[in-house]
Amino acid sequence: EIVLTQSPATLSLSPGERATLSCRASQSINSYLAWYQQKPGQAPRLLIYDASNRATGIPARFSGSGSGTDFTLTISSLEPEDFAVYYCQQRSNWPPGITFGPGTKVDIK
Amino acid sequence: QVQLQESGPGLVKPSQTLSLTCTVSGGSVSSGSYYWNWIRQPAGKRLEWIGRIYTRGSTNYDPSLKSRVSISLDTSKNQFSLRLSSVTAADTAVYYCASMKGYFDDWGQGTLVTVSS
Repeated sequence: EIVLTQSPATLSLSPGERATLSCRASQSINSYLAWYQQKPGQAPRLLIYDASNRATGIPARFSGSGSGTDFTLTISSLEPEDFAVYYCQQRSNWPPGITFGPGTKVDIK
Repeated sequence: QVQLQESGPGLVKPSQTLSLTCTVSGGSVSSGSYYWNWIRQPAGKRLEWIGRIYTRGSTNYDPSLKSRVSISLDTSKNQFSLRLSSVTAADTAVYYCASMKGYFDDWGQGTLVTVSS
């Protein structure tokens, strides 16, 4: 099974600041990585797919990068509605499976 | 974009079978474009993929749950279902259904299932 780790566990920032979130895979997953945002009591929402493509309706302040084992989600300037938990997720052909990272909580400083 | 809604008992006794249904609207479970998935999230923990079913009925399950899980389609009702047998307290979680082309595009709102006697 491919294991995803995320850092930091918590990121305390102010509105308007830049957020940089990291996700690392235990082995290469090419670009088969997505990022999701989850707010309390809500289902996750797809933000980024295939490492760097924004999903439909996602603002341009969200961007993704990386390939292989190291990936980054950047929020260029935090809006009040961006304070949430962010999960990365991989889909691999071998070993086959789908796993999520433990999440990074972005909270208000 | 499709809409998904989970339904089923909120309380299941240990050793029994958890059964949930996901009703799909705005799209067809018979569509060749989608995988139909179940995902769960224990309180305060990460998301866990349980498994998926393709439109032609082929399934994939997470290896850690494979011996206890079954996912099926009901095309006449535009639904898909989850059965998880021999449940324990560790299976207590919010259960989500989700559609997937390459990634989890649309999600249900989630339903809390508690395993307790």
